[in-house]
Amino acid sequence: DIQMTQSPSTLPASLGERVTINCRASRGISNNLNWYQQKPDGTIKRLIYYTSNLQSGVPSRFSGSGSGTDYSLTISSLEPEDLAMYYCQQYASSWTFGGGTKLELK
Amino acid sequence: EVQLQQSGAELGKPGTSVKLSCKVSGYNIRSTYMHWVNQRPGKGLEWIGRIDPANGNTIYAEKFKSKATLTADTSSNTAYMQLSQLKSDDTAIYFCAMDYPGPKGVMDAWGQGASVTVSS
Repeated sequence: DIQMTQSPSTLPASLGERVTINCRASRGISNNLNWYQQKPDGTIKRLIYYTSNLQSGVPSRFSGSGSGTDYSLTISSLEPEDLAMYYCQQYASSWTFGGGTKLELK
Repeated sequence: EVQLQQSGAELGKPGTSVKLSCKVSGYNIRSTYMHWVNQRPGKGLEWIGRIDPANGNTIYAEKFKSKATLTADTSSNTAYMQLSQLKSDDTAIYFCAMDYPGPKGVMDAWGQGASVTVSS
């Protein structure tokens, strides 16, 4: 099984700040990596698919990058509605989620 | 609009089973895979498995192979997950999720989640 290690687990940030969340796979996943956002009410939506493709309707302040085993999600300027949980997910071999990152106000 | 409507909250006794449903509107489930994911209280997302409704083929995460059974009824466009031999550790919210083609590329859709509480 492929393990996904996500960091940090908690990320205090200020509005307008640029933030980055990282994800490392236990072996290469050939860019088969998605990013999800889970709001406090539990609703889940995909932000980024295949490492760097922005899901339709997702603001352009979100971006993804990476290759091999290391991937990242960046928010260029934090908005209040971005305060949520974020998960990376590999789909190179079944699915595995990272442990999650709680993005909160500093 | 594609929507996934999950069945309601379940309260199950230890050792019993529950069966959750996920009814899809706006897209034919024969054309996609249906995934199931859980989230234990205060924890992250965990993949359980997926089913290809077109042929019934399933793949499970190792730890759920003897816990979950995924099925689908294409006539009603509904996917199901049965959880057997319930234990307190099965208390969680369970989500169904799928991809479908949108006008601007692949889209994802998630159910609202179904709460399962295991208690005697």
